[in-house]
Amino acid sequence: QITLKESGPTLVKPTQTLTLTCTFSGFSLSTSGVGVGWIRQPPGKALEWLALIYWDDDKRYSPSLKSRLTITKDTSKNQVVLTMTNMDPVDTATYYCAHEGTRYYFDYWGQGTLVTVSS
Amino acid sequence: SYVLTQPPSVSVAPGQTARITCGGNNIGSKSVHWYQQKPGQAPVLVVYDDSDRPSGIPERFSGSNSGNTATLTISRVEAGDEADYYCQVWDSSSDHHVFGTGTKVTVL
Repeated sequence: QITLKESGPTLVKPTQTLTLTCTFSGFSLSTSGVGVGWIRQPPGKALEWLALIYWDDDKRYSPSLKSRLTITKDTSKNQVVLTMTNMDPVDTATYYCAHEGTRYYFDYWGQGTLVTVSS
Repeated sequence: SYVLTQPPSVSVAPGQTARITCGGNNIGSKSVHWYQQKPGQAPVLVVYDDSDRPSGIPERFSGSNSGNTATLTISRVEAGDEADYYCQVWDSSSDHHVFGTGTKVTVL
């Protein structure tokens, strides 16, 4: 079955760069049409899509955060990495990674990881 | 950028029908997907492509989409349906995902 799990720091300081890793199993990111995305959710607020990487290394970013985000994949390790620069307290959120099949929706999600931005 | 608007809350008695709307400009031309999120848990896909259900999702969950409004309908509501619900589309004009503002469903 498909599983995903996020990992990374739970606390970062303002202006630092956040690096999160999504480790997955049950599918290959070299399969045509498959993608892995990142979505975040500030405490008590709505979901916000951040970035997506496809099997062919095509990448998409949220327009509002594009300048701060980089998404990469390591197919051999079954991992996707998201970096976000210049972190701010408003970036405090639970960060999820999720599997996207060929039809533009997220059918499997990781459990999420809470990242707090504070000095 | 494309915006999806949902009512902040919907209240419904057990056994009744809950309808959650998702408004967007000409949303009927897009495929809409719906997620259920219970407190402390990751979202779960409950409807995709406007009206299809993943395996394991009860038939009580259904969807429709036309004009400027998509709707998630929960029939015969149960206490376990109490959760936040989010709609989502792929905005092909700008090549990115968009989530709705979210609706909290309360079972009275």
